[in-house]
Amino acid sequence: AQSVAQPEDQVNVAEGNPLTVKCTYSVSGNPYLFWYVQYPNRGLQFLLKYITGDNLVKGSYGFEAEFNKSQTSFHLKKPSALVSDSALYFCAVRPTDPSGGSYIPTFGRGTSLIVHP
Amino acid sequence: DTEVTQTPKHLVMGMTNKKSLKCEQHMGHRAMYWYKQKAKKPPELMFVYSYEKLSINESVPSRFSPECPNSSLLNLHLHALQPEDSALYLCASSPSMGVTYEQYFGPGTRLTVT
Repeated sequence: AQSVAQPEDQVNVAEGNPLTVKCTYSVSGNPYLFWYVQYPNRGLQFLLKYITGDNLVKGSYGFEAEFNKSQTSFHLKKPSALVSDSALYFCAVRPTDPSGGSYIPTFGRGTSLIVHP
Repeated sequence: DTEVTQTPKHLVMGMTNKKSLKCEQHMGHRAMYWYKQKAKKPPELMFVYSYEKLSINESVPSRFSPECPNSSLLNLHLHALQPEDSALYLCASSPSMGVTYEQYFGPGTRLTVT
């Protein structure tokens, strides 16, 4: 069965500084990886995904993520954080081959990003 | 239109009430999902409809009853809920259940059971 770990409950960063939100995964075969963001009292919004190809994936709002197969990681990054980036971030994995498992995504527990002015 | 809409935004109901949540999308997506989310936790899958047929039921209590009247609409009928069912209920859709697709989420219905 697939799993996702987001080791940090909360990440604090100053506005203008680079940010990283960590995600590691475990899945049979190759993974399909996703990042979502959730602002207060809102649904989740898709940011970016890795399916295949270039390990550096660019997404919405200036976010990017790097797929590292050897470290089974898919960390979310942004070169310069904004106060408006403060939100809850979820990493998710879907299996390449759902047979014996499930098509549905497995979400990490979420990381609260706080960007200080 | 890349939006998933949900009504109502907020719902307060007693344990003996019957109510329904509604979700709509006009993106032509053929997979639709219901999730339950507690505060600061990841969403928990409840049901998945694929091509208007119930595909996955994650052992959800029968007091929650999903319905997919057509490819654009998804309902969740609620009856005899418990206070612990209070949560944010999220609807999502994707082009199909294929694993390369991201999900599009609605804003959710904040449900309080008194």
